Amino acid sequence: QQQVKQSPQSLIVQKGGIPIINCAYENTAFDYFPWYQQFPGKGPALLIAIRPDVSEKKEGRFTISFNKSAKQFSLHIMDSQPGDSATYFCAASRNAGNNRKLIWGLGTSLAVNP
Amino acid sequence: DAGVTQSPTHLIKTRGQHVTLRCSPISGHKSVSWYQQVLGQGPQFIFQYYEKEERGRGNFPDRFSARQFPNYSSELNVNALLLGDSALYLCASSLDQRNQPQHFGDGTRLSIL
Repeated sequence: QQQVKQSPQSLIVQKGGIPIINCAYENTAFDYFPWYQQFPGKGPALLIAIRPDVSEKKEGRFTISFNKSAKQFSLHIMDSQPGDSATYFCAASRNAGNNRKLIWGLGTSLAVNP
Repeated sequence: DAGVTQSPTHLIKTRGQHVTLRCSPISGHKSVSWYQQVLGQGPQFIFQYYEKEERGRGNFPDRFSARQFPNYSSELNVNALLLGDSALYLCASSLDQRNQPQHFGDGTRLSIL
């Protein structure tokens, strides 16, 4: 059972467009929600993260919107550029007492056309 | 400052062999986590170590084991390799076992023939 559901699987936008990637989670104990960007042949790189006491967070061109009641969060990329073409993963984690592990979505492949 | 470093970058093995993958965390980070990423999917949690002790384990068979050394570096060992073990193995480090964020290395690409 996928604890973090991510959509869409793939996305194509034109340069300057605003791609939106959505994630939904089941476990209300999750208290940390990061987004990672991964280029081919590279490890995931942390983009931005949010905790459930905040409804929105912006860092540069990246914005997370968080809806606690709906158990959903989304990533918006403003003024998208061809260099943003990558796979994006949402994830969630909770304090399990002795450890934290990240539970990941299946990823969204984003292509930004020039 | 150096990020998380993993070695080797690529590895080819045959079924039944064993493999050891290595990870050096970011300086000052005391927790290391291992993830398996199969092509086209998100990473799956394998282990988390902190202060040389296993603090968490994912749903992987006993063929997978790991350890952490006094300098906080870590090794992931996989015995009796199967074709299905072919994946990108990622190491992540964080300040401690409960802290976020986790920072990832570029992984070891393991191919089983």
